[in-house]
Amino acid sequence: AQTVTQSQPEMSVQEAETVTLSCTYDTSESNYYLFWYKQPPSRQMILVIRQEAYKQQNATENRFSVNFQKAAKSFSLKISDSQLGDTAMYFCAFMKHRNFGNEKLTFGTGTRLTIIP
Amino acid sequence: DVKVTQSSRYLVKRTGEKVFLECVQDMDHENMFWYRQDPGLGLRLIYFSYDVKMKEKGDIPEGYSVSREKKERFSLILESASTNQTSMYLCASSSGSSELYEQYFGPGTRLTVT
Repeated sequence: AQTVTQSQPEMSVQEAETVTLSCTYDTSESNYYLFWYKQPPSRQMILVIRQEAYKQQNATENRFSVNFQKAAKSFSLKISDSQLGDTAMYFCAFMKHRNFGNEKLTFGTGTRLTIIP
Repeated sequence: DVKVTQSSRYLVKRTGEKVFLECVQDMDHENMFWYRQDPGLGLRLIYFSYDVKMKEKGDIPEGYSVSREKKERFSLILESASTNQTSMYLCASSSGSSELYEQYFGPGTRLTVT
């Protein structure tokens, strides 16, 4: 079974600063996908960024980027130039390479990020 | 835009009641999921379905059942609600053919069992 660990329950940073959220995972799979999801206060969870394990290049989406270290089983999220709208709960998630009918996500326990004006 | 809706944002039920949580998606997605979210535990998968009338147990299925009679609708059923089922319940859907593997979430139902 896969496990996902987020060791930072809460973080806070000043607006415009850069912040990095940590995530480690444990798996015996060689082909899988990793995700960061964002849950703003009282709003729906949305996908921030994804990474395919077979790709060495780190994924980026505007101000969001990841540092994917496959050997270390580490998948951190970096938010640059943080904005007030980045205040949210962030979840790291793992998915094995899809077989038909199996797209189960395993989530970490989340990091509550607060951006301070 | 993909839209996933859940029948209630807040629900209060008594111990022993039968509870139905409804989820509807409008993007013709094959896959649908039910999670519960608890502080310090993250999201845990209860059940999922990859086709009409198909269902698979997730990590914590005990005390729950599901129904998927139509592709767009996935119901979570608590046969006899208990206080330890007080939680936030999230529904999600995803396309079975997309290479993006993105799950789209509903707004959640906060269930309190007293």
